[in-house]
Amino acid sequence: SQTIHQWPATLVQPVGSPLSLECTVEGTSNPNLYWYRQAAGRGLQLLFYSVGIGQISSEVPQNLSASRPQDRQFILSSKKLLLSDSGFYLCALRRPRGENTEAFFGQGTRLTVV
Amino acid sequence: GQSLEQPSEVTAVEGAIVQINCTYQTSGFYGLSWYQQHDGGAPTFLSYNALDGLEETGRFSSFLSRSDSYGYLLLQELQMKDSASYFCAVNGDKLIFGTGTRLQVFP
Repeated sequence: SQTIHQWPATLVQPVGSPLSLECTVEGTSNPNLYWYRQAAGRGLQLLFYSVGIGQISSEVPQNLSASRPQDRQFILSSKKLLLSDSGFYLCALRRPRGENTEAFFGQGTRLTVV
Repeated sequence: GQSLEQPSEVTAVEGAIVQINCTYQTSGFYGLSWYQQHDGGAPTFLSYNALDGLEETGRFSSFLSRSDSYGYLLLQELQMKDSASYFCAVNGDKLIFGTGTRLQVFP
C-alpha cells in the first residue's frame, strides 16, 4: 500500500527566510501529487498539483513554488516567507488513471511564520 | 471557477443521525468524495459517489444528485469519536475541497 512521508511536523520560520518542504511517496508509481494549505479552522486550499515529473500546475498566485524532480518526490518552496504563508501544509497522492480514486494524505507540516 | 459549499458547523448527540450537505459548482466533474479530519490530523477518505444515488458504508452513507449539483453525507448512530471536520471534494482533473463542516457530538 502507498505511504506518504512529510517532514518536519512543525516548523517556525522568520519572515523573509526561505522554505523547502519535501514530500516523498512509496508503494505506488506515477502518482498524481498535490500540495494543499489549510488555515486554522478552514478548508483545504489546493496550491499545486502534478501528474508527472517536471509537470506542475499552479492553482493560486502566491509566494510559493513547487517542483517534482523525481516521480515520488514533490517539493514546496519559497524564497522569502510572508506572515500569510503560515498554515498547515498537506501533501497528497492519488493513483493515476482514475479520477475516482481516493486521495491519501501525509501527516502535514504546521508552519508558523514569525 | 469551482466552489463547494457546506454548513460550517453541526451539533448532535450520541446515537443521533446527522446529514451534512454539499452543493458544488465546477467543471470537469467525475464524482463527489467525502473526507474526515480530526483536529491536528490529516484528512482520511470516507466515501465516493460517481453516479446518482446512495452509497452505504457501515454507519456512513453518501448521496449524490448530479442534476442538482448536490450531495450529502449521512452519519448514523453517532459516536463521540465522530466529532471531527467533514469535507466534500470534487473529483476531476484536480481534487477540490469544500469549506468543511465541523461536527460536534455531545453525550
